[in-house]
Amino acid sequence: NAGVTQTPKFQVLKTGQSMTLQCAQDMNHNSMYWYRQDPGMGLRLIYYSASEGTTDKGEVPNGYNVSRLNKREFSLRLESAAPSQTSVYFCASSTDRQNYGYTFGSGTRLTVV
Amino acid sequence: GENVEQHPSTLSVQEGDSAVIKCTYSDSASNYFPWYKQELGKRPQLIIDIRSNVGEKKDQRIAVTLNKTAKHFSLHITETQPEDSAVYFCAASMEGSQGNLIFGKGTKLSVKP
Repeated sequence: NAGVTQTPKFQVLKTGQSMTLQCAQDMNHNSMYWYRQDPGMGLRLIYYSASEGTTDKGEVPNGYNVSRLNKREFSLRLESAAPSQTSVYFCASSTDRQNYGYTFGSGTRLTVV
Repeated sequence: GENVEQHPSTLSVQEGDSAVIKCTYSDSASNYFPWYKQELGKRPQLIIDIRSNVGEKKDQRIAVTLNKTAKHFSLHITETQPEDSAVYFCAASMEGSQGNLIFGKGTKLSVKP
């Protein structure tokens, strides 16, 4: 049982390049999330998907797009990377019941130069 | 929307002492309050949670208390050990938000041997 798997673990991009962060969960969870973590800022929600086929913006969606490919997979795309997107990105999933915590992936450390 | 404030941002204690981290939330509709521990370079992991129909919950050396009237909740760690050193995040989930957690900015706990 792998839980939540994120790839890649590390990435360096040049300004303007694009990339997709992949996330997959094997817990049959309906809800999936993308957060970014910056020093002193905690975890901020970028996008979420409450169920397959639906996505919604979170607190900091600008510069990102997402795709809920199927129930297992939720990808995050940076179309034109900017230095301000240098961060650690975490994918998470949860059951569709509100009162349960998240299971996080191991994170992607992204640097945009 | 919901706002979660967390204090202190850093906390240093001697091994064996107790540590207390406090969080306040803004929306009285919030009804789920988890705490996450994040070790350096690792993913956040759920350590304890509490729901609004409960005032206190304990799990070995950790406990969480909730004061709905004052809209604050706290994490208590007793008999601290060096392995408790980590960043701790509180979070709140507002009813109807499809389970989206709003996180505090974190507390870096250092336990000195």
